[in-house]
Amino acid sequence: DSGVTQTPKHLITATGQRVTLRCSPRSGDLSVYWYQQSLDQGLQFLIQYYNGEERAKGNILERFSAQQFPDLHSELNLSSLELGDSALYFCASSPRRASGRSDTQYFGPGTRLTVL
Amino acid sequence: AQSVTQLGSHVSVSEGALVLLRCNYSSSVPPYLFWYVQYPNQGLQLLLKYTSAATLVKGINGFEAEFKKSETSFHLTKPSAHMSDAAEYFCAVSDQGGSEKLVFGKGTKLTVNP
Repeated sequence: DSGVTQTPKHLITATGQRVTLRCSPRSGDLSVYWYQQSLDQGLQFLIQYYNGEERAKGNILERFSAQQFPDLHSELNLSSLELGDSALYFCASSPRRASGRSDTQYFGPGTRLTVL
Repeated sequence: AQSVTQLGSHVSVSEGALVLLRCNYSSSVPPYLFWYVQYPNQGLQLLLKYTSAATLVKGINGFEAEFKKSETSFHLTKPSAHMSDAAEYFCAVSDQGGSEKLVFGKGTKLTVNP
């Protein structure tokens, strides 16, 4: 158990709908990352938050958005869903070292999204 | 831009045989390198990491990896495979100075035959 929790574990929805995925980082970790794992694209970085602020953006679609709340949990919102959005979505968190750089990323169990 | 290439999407070994999973990276700055393992229907678990200290890194479950700058490689090895090692293995790179995102290889699925 990495200490990172994600809910729900599975989500089945229809095209055009909107869903919210939730992530709670390990206690004390300020950085949260979101990744998408699909058969055709593999594991891809979507977005990073640090202590409530967006830190880095990757291949995140405009239909997707995220935020990190004051209690450090994060939510990934996916809207106007398409069949191709079906994937495993991972959240990871990392502590910050004395040097200021984030350390190892610890991954949650993921949310499997199926769009029908 | 950073990238990772994992040679061999599927590797099959016999129980007790050497495991060798290959990873080559591309980075314009000194990298941090990681190996993660994913068991079926589970998340990613860190096996080991290289962060510019010792070039030979020991991880969990008997795995180790050696950072070779001249070859831009970070291959994962285990002297003797167990059935429980069957899983998918991902190599990842993160640069030290820029974005802290992980760039992953496409993964290598390891099968261990009895």
